[in-house]
This record gives sequence, C-alpha cells and structure tokens, in this order.
Amino acid sequence: AQSVTQLGSHVSVSEGALVLLRCNYSSSVPPYLFWYVQYPNQGLQLLLKYTTGATLVKGINGFEAEFKKSETSFHLTKPSAHMSDAAEYFCAVSRANGGGFKTIFGAGTRLFVKA
Amino acid sequence: EAQVTQNPRYLITVTGKKLTVTCSQNMNHEYMSWYRQDPGLGLRQIYYSMNVEVTDKGDVPEGYKVSRKEKRNFPLILESPSPNQTSLYFCASSLRGSQETQYFGPGTRLLVL
Repeated sequence: AQSVTQLGSHVSVSEGALVLLRCNYSSSVPPYLFWYVQYPNQGLQLLLKYTTGATLVKGINGFEAEFKKSETSFHLTKPSAHMSDAAEYFCAVSRANGGGFKTIFGAGTRLFVKA
Repeated sequence: EAQVTQNPRYLITVTGKKLTVTCSQNMNHEYMSWYRQDPGLGLRQIYYSMNVEVTDKGDVPEGYKVSRKEKRNFPLILESPSPNQTSLYFCASSLRGSQETQYFGPGTRLLVL
C-alpha cells in the first residue's frame, strides 16, 4: 500500500533562511511525486513534480526537490525563505490503479516565516 | 480563464438534510476527483472519475455519492449528512494519467450540525 509521511506538521524559519520540508513515501512501484502548496483560503496549486528523468526538479518560486529512490524521499527545499512562502505544503504520490490512478497526500506541513 | 469552480463555498446544514456540492471545470479534463481535508490528515480521496459515466471509490467513500453525466461536471452528493462529514472539500481535475498535475477548486467548507 502507498503512504506518504511528512516529517513535522509545523516548520518555522527566519526570512532569508533555508527551507527544508521532508517527505518520505512508500510504494511498491516507482510513483510519480508531487509537491502542492495551499495558501490561506485557497485550493492547492502545483509547486513541482517528478515523473521521469532528472531527479532534481525545479519548481515555481525558487523551490526545488530531489527524488532519492534509495531513501524513498522527495524533500522540498528553498535556499532563502520569503514572507510570501508562508503556507501549507503537501507532498503527494500518484500511480496507476486498475483503469485509473490514485493520489495519496501527506498530512501537510505548515511553514511559518519569521521577519 | 482555465479553472475549477465549486458551489457553494460555505454551507451550514443539519443532520440528515440531503445536499449537493457542484464542481465544474472548463479545461476539457477527463479525470475529476473529490477530496476532503481535515486537520492533521491532509487530503483524502472520496471518489474519482476517469471519464463520463466512469466513477470509482477513493479511500473514504462512505456517506457520499457522485455522478459524471457530463465531462465538465462532477457533483458530490451527501444523501444524509452527519456531523463527521463536517470538513473542507476540494474538487480537482486533470488530464488522464497519474503523472498529470491536478487543478483544484477553491474549496467548500461544510458544517453539519
């Protein structure tokens, strides 16, 4: 069975500091991996995704993530946090399931950015 | 503008009173899905649809129904709502394929008294 674990329900960083949000997954087959961001009172929007090819994936707003198969991880990083990065971040895995596909989301990590 | 719309955005109802939350997308997407978001649990999939007249259960389908009679619409029906269905609901759509990005609606916040 698939599962997604995000370490830390809340992460707090100072403005300008490194952002690191952790995501580990379990899957019997290599999945597709996603990071979505949710700003207050909004729906989720895609930050970045890994499907195939280069394991270091760059997304919007300066975020990037690296797929490490041996560690079953897909951690999200940003070198320098900005106040506007304060939001909730969700890691998700998706794979084929019968005639369709299923997506499993992690519990989310809320990022706080201190001035 | 490409978007997923949901109505209503906020809803307060009482136990047992049937309700429908509508979802519509204008991107000609085959795949549509409903999720509920609860604190500490992330998003959990309720139902999904791979195309018109093709629907399947997600991880938490109990107490919900869906239909997909048109490609653009995917309503969520609560025949007899209960307080444990108080939640934030999101509709999403995408092209067919597990590698595709899902596009989310703005959410519907439901309170069942």
